[in-house]
Amino acid sequence: QIQLQQSGPGLVKPSQTLSLTCAISGDSVSSNSVAWNWIRKSPSRGLEWLGRTYYRSRWYNDYAVFVNSRITVNPDTSKNQFSLQLNSVTPEDTAVYYCARDSGYLLDYWGQGTLVTVSS
Amino acid sequence: QSALTQPPSASGSPGQSVTISCTGTSSDVGGYNYVSWYQHHPGKAPKLMIYEVYKRPSGVPDRFSGSKSGNTASLTVSGLQAEDEADYYCNSYAGGALYVFGTGTKVTVL
Repeated sequence: QIQLQQSGPGLVKPSQTLSLTCAISGDSVSSNSVAWNWIRKSPSRGLEWLGRTYYRSRWYNDYAVFVNSRITVNPDTSKNQFSLQLNSVTPEDTAVYYCARDSGYLLDYWGQGTLVTVSS
Repeated sequence: QSALTQPPSASGSPGQSVTISCTGTSSDVGGYNYVSWYQHHPGKAPKLMIYEVYKRPSGVPDRFSGSKSGNTASLTVSGLQAEDEADYYCNSYAGGALYVFGTGTKVTVL
């Protein structure tokens, strides 16, 4: 049974860094056949894919162009989890953030979602 | 990469069918057979309903079907049931841009 459990603060101040973690059970962050993604949903913009990390003999990352300069997705093999860091946040980054597993052009397992509000 | 275009809403009575379109470009929907559909009930995680245009994951009722023609993909829900009322999002692989989602469609069961 694959489960993704998200954790992290629900309130971040403008200009600071949003940090979330997704703990994996039932699979490995180092799996050679899947990728680990972050997606967000806001009322104004719907679902947006943000980025991913995956292992294929070495670690790779891919990021959406619109956040490319502000985002980092990192694996943590010691804890079997991966993280999202989004720098220099503004109120426009307020959204529900989801982690999800990509097993080949499809997102088949999702975390429970974390509402992150950017406000002073 | 612009979001894929979906109608904002669709509706049908129980037992009827509803079809949702998802229009992109030759760089995403039209260029790859990697279109997927997600059902999203408020407060829950999105659920994969269709992948690779028409394939259903285990456990998804066969009332849900997908297709594609050119740059437009479609999701059809036949035999509408109350629990089908949700938001639906398409998603397509977009090459170097990776993944792009649709704008979302709210399905209402009348």
